[in-house]
Amino acid sequence: DSGVTQTPKHLITATGQRVTLRCSPRSGDLSVYWYQQSLDQGLQFLIQYYNGEERAKGNILERFSAQQFPDLHSELNLSSLELGDSALYFCASNPTGDTEAFFGQGTRLTVV
Amino acid sequence: GEDVEQSLFLSVREGDSSVINCTYTDSSSTYLYWYKQEPGAGLQLLTYIFSNMDMKQDQRLTVLLNKKDKHLSLRIADTQTGDSAIYFCALTHSGGYNKLIFGAGTRLAVHP
Repeated sequence: DSGVTQTPKHLITATGQRVTLRCSPRSGDLSVYWYQQSLDQGLQFLIQYYNGEERAKGNILERFSAQQFPDLHSELNLSSLELGDSALYFCASNPTGDTEAFFGQGTRLTVV
Repeated sequence: GEDVEQSLFLSVREGDSSVINCTYTDSSSTYLYWYKQEPGAGLQLLTYIFSNMDMKQDQRLTVLLNKKDKHLSLRIADTQTGDSAIYFCALTHSGGYNKLIFGAGTRLAVHP
């Protein structure tokens, strides 16, 4: 158990819908990352937050957004969902953003 | 952009050593990681090596780094069926903030 908690574990939704994925980082970790794992793209970095502020942005679509709250948990919002958004979404955390990252178990999103 | 390449599949006999290889293009990465993903599970950090090291050993795991050839390898001694999983090589992005660039993963199959 990495100490990073993601909910829900599985999510099935229809095209055009909006979902919110939640991540609770390890206790004391200020930095949160979101990654997407799909069959065709592999593991791709989406976005990083550090102590509530966006720090780095990767291959994140405009339909996707994220935020980190004062209690340091983070949410990834995915809207206008398409079939191609079906993937495993991982959250990772570390204390300061410059050490090894610990990953949660992921949320498997299926868009039908 | 950064590129991390791994062979996709490796099959070994139980008790033998496994060597999983990774090549990369970005020579400025500070940390290089190996993650393990079991079926239906998240990413588990196995080990990592600093870029100023050539080798790191951790029980059955040995990481070798050849900076000149930009080659990273993970050796698993006495491979067991429980080692069957996908192994990802990952590097910190040269832009900092510990954003990870992942390889496509090597599926290790251990047979009796």
